Amino acid sequence: DIQMTQSPSSLSASVGDRVTITCRASQGIRSDLAWYQQKPGQAPKRLIYVASTLQSGVPSRFSGSGSGTEFTLTISSLQPEDFATYYCLHHSPNPPYTFGQGTKLELK
Amino acid sequence: EVQLVETGGGLIQPGESLRLSCAASGFTLSSSYMSWVRQAPGKGLEWVSVIYSVGTTFYADSVKGRFTISRDNSKNTLSLQMTTLRVEDTAIYYCAGLGKDYWGQGTLVTVSS
Repeated sequence: DIQMTQSPSSLSASVGDRVTITCRASQGIRSDLAWYQQKPGQAPKRLIYVASTLQSGVPSRFSGSGSGTEFTLTISSLQPEDFATYYCLHHSPNPPYTFGQGTKLELK
Repeated sequence: EVQLVETGGGLIQPGESLRLSCAASGFTLSSSYMSWVRQAPGKGLEWVSVIYSVGTTFYADSVKGRFTISRDNSKNTLSLQMTTLRVEDTAIYYCAGLGKDYWGQGTLVTVSS
């Protein structure tokens, strides 16, 4: 099975900062990767799918890139509402699907 | 408006069984691939199972042989039959249409003696 290694596990940043979160796959997964944001007490919300496509309604400060084994989520200028936990998800026509371990983004 | 509502969670003893349901409205469940995703208290997300529109099912190794995903097209409902429950199955269980980013609010399953 494919393993997803997400880093960092936590990150302290300030409003206006640019932040990058990385997910690495144990083998090539083409672009079968999505990024989610989860706030306490809420279900996850998808930000990016097929590695780089922005979900409708998601601010353009969020972007995704990568293919194969290395993927990144970038927030270009952090806003107060962006402090949350972020997960990558590998899902393809061949399960199992795998979430990364999560990155908790906190206010510095 | 799309809505997913999970029911069936609760407190249960190790070794027992529980059935979760997810009622969908605003779209047809059978036209989408539907998953169960769980989250243990204070932990990350874990994919549990998926059922495709053609009925094919897959499971995480951690639940294979104990959990069964199914769908009732007449009721537009997704289910997860969980047997031989373990303490480590304690989690919020979300019903999710990952392809379209449809999520329920989750239902809490607590396995404890």
